[in-house]
Amino acid sequence: NAGVTQTPKFQVLKTGQSMTLQCAQDMNHNSMYWYRQDPGMGLRLIYYSASEGTTDKGEVPNGYNVSRLNKREFSLRLESAAPSQTSVYFCASSEVWWQPQHFGDGTRLSIL
Amino acid sequence: AQTVTQSQPEMSVQEAETVTLSCTYDTSESDYYLFWYKQPPSRQMILVIRQEAYKQQNATENRFSVNFQKAAKSFSLKISDSQLGDAAMYFCAYRSANDYKLSFGAGTTVTVRA
Repeated sequence: NAGVTQTPKFQVLKTGQSMTLQCAQDMNHNSMYWYRQDPGMGLRLIYYSASEGTTDKGEVPNGYNVSRLNKREFSLRLESAAPSQTSVYFCASSEVWWQPQHFGDGTRLSIL
Repeated sequence: AQTVTQSQPEMSVQEAETVTLSCTYDTSESDYYLFWYKQPPSRQMILVIRQEAYKQQNATENRFSVNFQKAAKSFSLKISDSQLGDAAMYFCAYRSANDYKLSFGAGTTVTVRA
């Protein structure tokens, strides 16, 4: 029962490097989400995708791009990583937007 | 964005005892949903309980129950008969009935003493 799978689990980057975080779900969900979690704060939404080919900006989209090429996968790209993007990143999915979200295990990203 | 406030950064409870986590939120809407998520050290976010604002009855899931006070905009979580496996960070979250966006509080770390 995989649910939502994120890769990698850990990554260290240098400032200015690019990186794509991968997320895949096997629950046939339509909606997918990317969040970041910083110390002392709750999760904040970066981007949302209601369905294949559609995306919408969340609360903190600057510095990120996303791609929803098919129903299963939703990737998050950092084109030029900055230390302020050091965080734990979570991917989530839900059957439709009003249903509860299921989360992956997160990716801990450090940018030096 | 909606504001969700968890005023207790940390709580400690003896095994088998009860602990209550507080959450308040700010909204002008009448129809919305509230959630409690658990995040153990494994990091995965797990939905514990959900409450629809239009329901007056408080939600219950086994040892987890909520006290939903709509007028006071308060949504507390009670963990009864605490177990070592309950040790985690707990997040309160709000979602408007008309929007997909979840707003999270900063979280409360629960420690269970054996």
